[in-house]
Amino acid sequence: EVHLSESGGGLVQPGGSLTLSCAASGFTFSTYAMNWVRQAPGKGLEWVSGFSGSGGPSLHADSVRGRFTISRDNSKNTLYLQMNNLRSDDTAVYFCAKGKSQVILDAFDFWGQGTMVTVSS
Amino acid sequence: AIQMTQSPSSLSASVGDRVTISCRASQGIGNDLSWYQQKPGKAPKLLIYAASSLQSGVPSRFSGSGSGTDFTLTISSLQPEDFATYYCLQDYNYPRTFGQGTKVEI
Repeated sequence: EVHLSESGGGLVQPGGSLTLSCAASGFTFSTYAMNWVRQAPGKGLEWVSGFSGSGGPSLHADSVRGRFTISRDNSKNTLYLQMNNLRSDDTAVYFCAKGKSQVILDAFDFWGQGTMVTVSS
Repeated sequence: AIQMTQSPSSLSASVGDRVTISCRASQGIGNDLSWYQQKPGKAPKLLIYAASSLQSGVPSRFSGSGSGTDFTLTISSLQPEDFATYYCLQDYNYPRTFGQGTKVEI
């Protein structure tokens, strides 16, 4: 059974940093694309960052490029999101999401429960 | 970036109603579109992929259609558990973009 579990969220001051983790199980993690998607309070879904399963380049939304870095440790079946220079508009629930197939562009068939990041002084 | 526009943004319906939600892409995306259901405080759930393929375990009252720029999610007979917010997502290129969501309420 596929399971994704995010951790690392919390309260951080503007300009601060935070690293989110997503522990995966129940599938061959290294061969699937993985993504981060966020949802600000009361708002819609926003894709943040993505990583292919074949060691391809990481990709980021314009709103986070240069501040956020996605990475993965296939030996630990874990996806990460390093977030620097955080702003108040980064406040959101952050979900990790698994790609449905082994290609980089596909639907997201499994999602974690999300971790809340609050940026406030 | 490809813009995804959903309509309506919200709708009121009753149990047993047929419900249709539209999603329009700002450029052609073939059939690279998926649909998600999200309930309050929960993660999104994949309903439809490749525009019209039903995800395993999803009830057959959900269906998707369309290609190019215009897509539709249909719920043939609305059930109490279907009251939620629905999002489309283009799976064509990066950056990935979602529609703004359609809230289905009583």
